[in-house]
Amino acid sequence: ETGVTQTPRHLVMGMTNKKSLKCEQHLGHNAMYWYKQSAKKPLELMFVYSLEERVENNSVPSRFSPECPNSSHLFLHLHTLQPEDSALYLCASSQFGRQGDGGYTFGSGTRLTVV
Amino acid sequence: AQSVTQLDSQVPVFEEAPVELRCNYSSSVSVYLFWYVQYPNQGLQLLLKYLSGSTLVKGINGFEAEFNKSQTSFHLRKPSVHISDTAEYFCAVSDRGTYKYIFGTGTRLKVLA
Repeated sequence: ETGVTQTPRHLVMGMTNKKSLKCEQHLGHNAMYWYKQSAKKPLELMFVYSLEERVENNSVPSRFSPECPNSSHLFLHLHTLQPEDSALYLCASSQFGRQGDGGYTFGSGTRLTVV
Repeated sequence: AQSVTQLDSQVPVFEEAPVELRCNYSSSVSVYLFWYVQYPNQGLQLLLKYLSGSTLVKGINGFEAEFNKSQTSFHLRKPSVHISDTAEYFCAVSDRGTYKYIFGTGTRLKVLA
C-alpha cells in the first residue's frame, strides 16, 4: 500500500466520547502533519512531527492530543470535543531537507462531526 | 513571515474556456511553490510544483503555472477546462529547506456546461 491512509473516513462522536484518528504513510517521509479544514476557513496547521519529534503545536486546545510512535504512523486522540471542532481533519507527510521537496502528500481526511 | 494571497474565492468559467487562478506570495527569499487541488470530501492532491529552473511548470491534468519572481506570483492556468476540473485549488509556499508550508485560502473553480 502506498501514499497516506487515514482512518476512519467518517466519525460521529458525542462531546463526552474519546476517539482516535489514525494516519499511516508508506512513502519514507521524515515529517508528518495534522491539519484542520473547516468550512469557509483557511487550512489550519495543528501539529508537525519531524523524525517522530513534535516540532510545532499551533496553540491547539488540549482536547486534541497527537502521538507519533514511529515515522510511519501518526494519531490524533480526541476527548471532550466541542461542536465547533466538527471539520475535515487532514493528515499529510513530506520529505524536507537536502533530499529536496516533493511537496506534501495528503490523506483523504476524516470527516468529524461532534454532536 | 510568509503569506499567500489567492484573491479570487470563486471563479466560474464555461467548459472549454481558458482559466487563470491567481496566487501571490509575500517574500522574495528563495521559495518553493505549489498548487494543490481538492475534490469534494477528498484530501489535497499535488498539481504541480516549482523548486528551481524553468519558470514555466507543467503539472497534471493539463495545468501549468508560471513563477514570476519580480511580481512574487505563481498563477495557475489551463487553456481549456472540463467539467471534471470543478474543485477547490490551493496555492502554497515554503521557504527552501523548511518543512512548513503556508497555504492560501483557496479558489473554488466552477466549470459550467
